[in-house]
Amino acid sequence: GQNIDQPTEMTATEGAIVQINCTYQTSGFNGLFWYQQHAGEAPTFLSYNVLDGLEEKGRFSSFLSRSKGYSYLLLKELQMKDSASYLCAVSKGGSYIPTFGRGTSLIVHP
Amino acid sequence: DTGVSQNPRHKITKRGQNVTFRCDPISEHNRLYWYRQTLGQGPEFLTYFQNEAQLEKSRLLSDRFSAERPKGSFSTLEIQRTEQGDSAMYLCASSPSGTVKNIQYFGAGTRLSVL
Repeated sequence: GQNIDQPTEMTATEGAIVQINCTYQTSGFNGLFWYQQHAGEAPTFLSYNVLDGLEEKGRFSSFLSRSKGYSYLLLKELQMKDSASYLCAVSKGGSYIPTFGRGTSLIVHP
Repeated sequence: DTGVSQNPRHKITKRGQNVTFRCDPISEHNRLYWYRQTLGQGPEFLTYFQNEAQLEKSRLLSDRFSAERPKGSFSTLEIQRTEQGDSAMYLCASSPSGTVKNIQYFGAGTRLSVL
């Protein structure tokens, strides 16, 4: 199976930077996704990492280390609307179906 | 709107009743997935279709659950003899086939409450 671990909750201040970590244990690793989910809404795709390193996309960046089974999502210049749950998901095997972690609830306050 | 559509958005039922949910995926997507999500948890995979073929089912999917995608377009998820433990958000997602990246596009979900 896959063990995916991420913090349950984090808080940060508007305008600041926050890093949400995700560790995983799996065989047959394909890649790692980050999704954002606002309360009561559908998860929406943020990023996908398959190779080691940092991928930057606007205010959001995602990092992967395959050898360490570790990823993080970096959010810069935080805005109130960034308050949401951030889901780490690992894809493995031939079907490429991601398995989701429990999510990290991020609260951004003024 | 060409996103993933789920109906109904909310369903309240009594224990022992049967319920059916519908999902309309993005039209050009061959793959369709069902997930269940409870409060404070991430989505848990239930089953997935490639066109009309159901290719994988989770052990979470007991014999009270059945899913169909008869013409390879919309899908239905039926729960028979509902139990209180079935109360959850049921999410549908779709993705185009043949892509390693396999980005899933989710619907807003059907929230089931079993009384």
